[in-house]
Amino acid sequence: KNEVEQSPQNLTAQEGEFITINCSYSVGISALHWLQQHPGGGIVSLFMLSSGKKKHGRLIATINIQEKHSSLHITASHPRDSAVYICAVRSGNNNDMRFGAGTRLTVKP
Amino acid sequence: ETGVTQTPRHLVMGMTNKKSLKCEQHLGHNAMYWYKQSAKKPLELMFVYNFKEQTENNSVPSRFSPECPNSSHLFLHLHTLQPEDSALYLCASSQGTSGNRELFFGEGSRLTVL
Repeated sequence: KNEVEQSPQNLTAQEGEFITINCSYSVGISALHWLQQHPGGGIVSLFMLSSGKKKHGRLIATINIQEKHSSLHITASHPRDSAVYICAVRSGNNNDMRFGAGTRLTVKP
Repeated sequence: ETGVTQTPRHLVMGMTNKKSLKCEQHLGHNAMYWYKQSAKKPLELMFVYNFKEQTENNSVPSRFSPECPNSSHLFLHLHTLQPEDSALYLCASSQGTSGNRELFFGEGSRLTVL
């Protein structure tokens, strides 16, 4: 079983809908990352957080350290939000970042 | 030019070929990474270089050979690959290797081994 589990694996939404992607992990972490991967393959870092909540535009990321769970929310979703969203965690100060398998989001106009 | 640049973006090679993937970063970072992304699998860390020194080799077969001539450039030399090595190979860089550093990724090199 992967140490980082994401749900759902695939998500289809209509433009304007509120989106939630979940990430659960089983190891102690120093930071959790949310990444966005577009069809071309490139990955962009959206958030890095170790507690609480962060907001950037229409994107909000939350983390609950006690429950080992994080969520990524997208408000007023748009077709350009269609991508694979990846949760990744880092334990301690080592180089090993553990990745979830990703959530493929499709937003239809 | 800014960010992390990978070339080529696409590569098709036979099992007996020798080819190389190149990564260049213009962010002034001192750590660079190679990751492998196979279909429907999470990203897997392959190699880490910090200040040109390899600090991690994640049990990668010897048919993959990394080279880091300086902090801005990273290569992945490929020889006698197998079809199961077909994947997206992603390069990343960061400022240092401490726990809370942010990774910056390239666009990836999609490799197909025939």
